[in-house]
Amino acid sequence: NFMLTQPHSVSESPGKTVTISCTRSSGSIASNYVQWYQQRPGSSPTTVIFDDNQRPSGVPDRFSGSFDMSSNSASLTISGLKTEDEADYFCQSYDSNNHGVFGGGTHLTVL
Amino acid sequence: QVQLQESGPGLVKPSETLSLTCAVSGYSVSSTYYWGWIRQPPGKGLEWIGTIYHSGSTYYNPSLKSRVTILVDTSKNQFSLRLSSVTAADTAVYYCARLRITAAGSHFDYWGQGTLVTVSS
Repeated sequence: NFMLTQPHSVSESPGKTVTISCTRSSGSIASNYVQWYQQRPGSSPTTVIFDDNQRPSGVPDRFSGSFDMSSNSASLTISGLKTEDEADYFCQSYDSNNHGVFGGGTHLTVL
Repeated sequence: QVQLQESGPGLVKPSETLSLTCAVSGYSVSSTYYWGWIRQPPGKGLEWIGTIYHSGSTYYNPSLKSRVTILVDTSKNQFSLRLSSVTAADTAVYYCARLRITAAGSHFDYWGQGTLVTVSS
C-alpha cells in the first residue's frame, strides 16, 4: 500500500498564506481523491476539503485544495490566516480497493 | 442533526477483544451512506480502521483485517467494532463517523466525540 507524507509542522503569521503538502509514496496522486481534515485540540476532526478541492458548506473560501502530478502531491492552502486556524491537519485518500489512508498530520501554528 | 456516540469499555486487557458501539441519531444507518471507524493513538495521527454499508459490505484496513469485525444493526440504528487480540499498541481514541459518498469520492462528514480505549492489565 502507499503512504501519505506530510510535514510535521508549519508556522505562519496571522493574515499570511500557508500551504501544507501531502505526498503520495506510490501510485498517482490523481488516481484517488484527497480529503483534508482539521482537528483542533480535544476535538474530533472536521472536513475542510473533500474530493481534492471541494469545500463543505460553512468552511470559508480561505481554504483551498489542489494537487500537482509532477510532485505527486496534494496541497491544502489557507489564506488570510487566523489564530483559530491553529490546529492539526490530516490529508486522506484511498487505494484501489477502497481502503482509506491518512497522512501523518501537520501541526499548524499561527503566531 | 446527525449525531454519533461511541460507547464501550475504556479499559481492555491484553489478548482480549475490544468492543465498541456507535449509536446514530438523526439519520438511519439503512440509508445510502457508509459508516466507519477511525482511531488515534494518544499524541499521534489518525488511522483508518474500516467502513460498512447497511447491506453488510465492508472494507477493512489490510494491516488490521485479521483482527477487525465491523457490523451494522439496523434495528437499533447502530454499528459496532470488534478488535481481537489487542495489545498496548491498540490504545487509542476510537472515533465512529459517517462516510458521505459523492459523485466523485467519499469523506467522513459527521464524527462522534471519540472514546479512549486503554489496553492494559
